[in-house]
Amino acid sequence: NAGVTQTPKFQVLKTGQSMTLQCAQDMNHEYMSWYRQDPGMGLRLIHYSVGAGITDQGEVPNGYNVSRSTTEDFPLRLLSAAPSQTSVYFCASTQTGTQYFGPGTRLTVL
Amino acid sequence: RKEVEQDPGPFNVPEGATVAFNCTYSNSASQSFFWYRQDCRKEPKLLMSVYSSGNEDGRFTAQLNRASQYISLLIRDSKLSDSATYLCVPQGGSYIPTFGRGTSLIVHP
Repeated sequence: NAGVTQTPKFQVLKTGQSMTLQCAQDMNHEYMSWYRQDPGMGLRLIHYSVGAGITDQGEVPNGYNVSRSTTEDFPLRLLSAAPSQTSVYFCASTQTGTQYFGPGTRLTVL
Repeated sequence: RKEVEQDPGPFNVPEGATVAFNCTYSNSASQSFFWYRQDCRKEPKLLMSVYSSGNEDGRFTAQLNRASQYISLLIRDSKLSDSATYLCVPQGGSYIPTFGRGTSLIVHP
């Protein structure tokens, strides 16, 4: 099993650009989530999903959209990138309470 | 009150030392408890689950005190490779937990 994979590993955007961060898991987990982590800070929940077709907002959802058309994939869309969205983004899937994280995407918005 | 509170540290200890971290949580309905480890610029990884009776995994011991709503992690005989941030994660009915900032540990020679 590959576990949780994320692409790209690094990305630089200009203010106003849009992009999609990809996340996939091959463990057949129902629960998936997106977090962002700023320097010296904890993980903050952006959006989460409890199954295909079901998504909900977390703590910091503004500026981001998600969809969950399959159990495996949970992409995160930045609608119009802003410098405040410069961060490291982690995707996770959950099984019986244990979170499995992807390696992260390091995003810089200029 | 924050859902999870941890002393951010850093805890700076010599190799071989014993170090303990505490974590308090506010949601009395939390049912599951975990410690994660996060290395610099890497993703968090599960270190151990915390059971009501306490549990031990090699040099690591986790304890849960539901009455006082805190969780502890004890690391014995610290190694250089233990340097990391340790995240305490209480989990309620939802499978999507809230993470705190964690506690930074630096083990020096």
